[in-house]
Amino acid sequence: SQKIEQNSEALNIQEGKTATLTCNYTNYSPAYLQWYRQDPGRGPVFLLLIRENEKEKRKERLKVTFDTTLKQSLFHITASQPADSATYLCALDIRSFKTIFGAGTRLFVKA
Amino acid sequence: NAGVTQTPKFQVLKTGQSMTLQCAQDMNHEYMSWYRQDPGMGLRLIHYSVGAGITDQGEVPNGYNVSRSTTEDFPLRLLSAAPSQTSVYFCAIGRGPTDTQYFGPGTRLTVL
Repeated sequence: SQKIEQNSEALNIQEGKTATLTCNYTNYSPAYLQWYRQDPGRGPVFLLLIRENEKEKRKERLKVTFDTTLKQSLFHITASQPADSATYLCALDIRSFKTIFGAGTRLFVKA
Repeated sequence: NAGVTQTPKFQVLKTGQSMTLQCAQDMNHEYMSWYRQDPGMGLRLIHYSVGAGITDQGEVPNGYNVSRSTTEDFPLRLLSAAPSQTSVYFCAIGRGPTDTQYFGPGTRLTVL
């Protein structure tokens, strides 16, 4: 069956360190992959989109990689801050007008 | 959540009751979709629409109906609510299915 896996365990890191979150998928060949941030009680907010022909994308302190051979995306937040604490979701298109989401990884950044 | 409004914010229903969750947008985006979010399961697509008059099913459509008579509105109807439909419901819009999705603030629904 089609599946997206994100680390269900929360990630705890110290302020200033780099946070790395993983998104693995099976049985898909997505044309693109997106990362969203979700704060408690709120809807997801778009962060970055990376296409299948792109290996890496950056936006300020954020970096996303996309390895279609490994079927994996890594999401990095450099110089992390307590304000980065949130749940991060990855999302894939499945080439049929649909986008599906992973369950998300919760990030806690300690001051 | 600018541009996407959802009402109500909270709702409690009894099993068997019906209700409509409203979603409205002012960004003139063609693509609209409904997701439900349950703990540990992420967002699951219920129904989507690629334009006025066109709707289709997502991953978990059973128990829900939708219609799209205008570009702005995409209501989600629960015909006979069940406890399994207790969830947080999000409406999302985008220029297209492969573009960035903008989410509304959500409706928290409890079915007793």
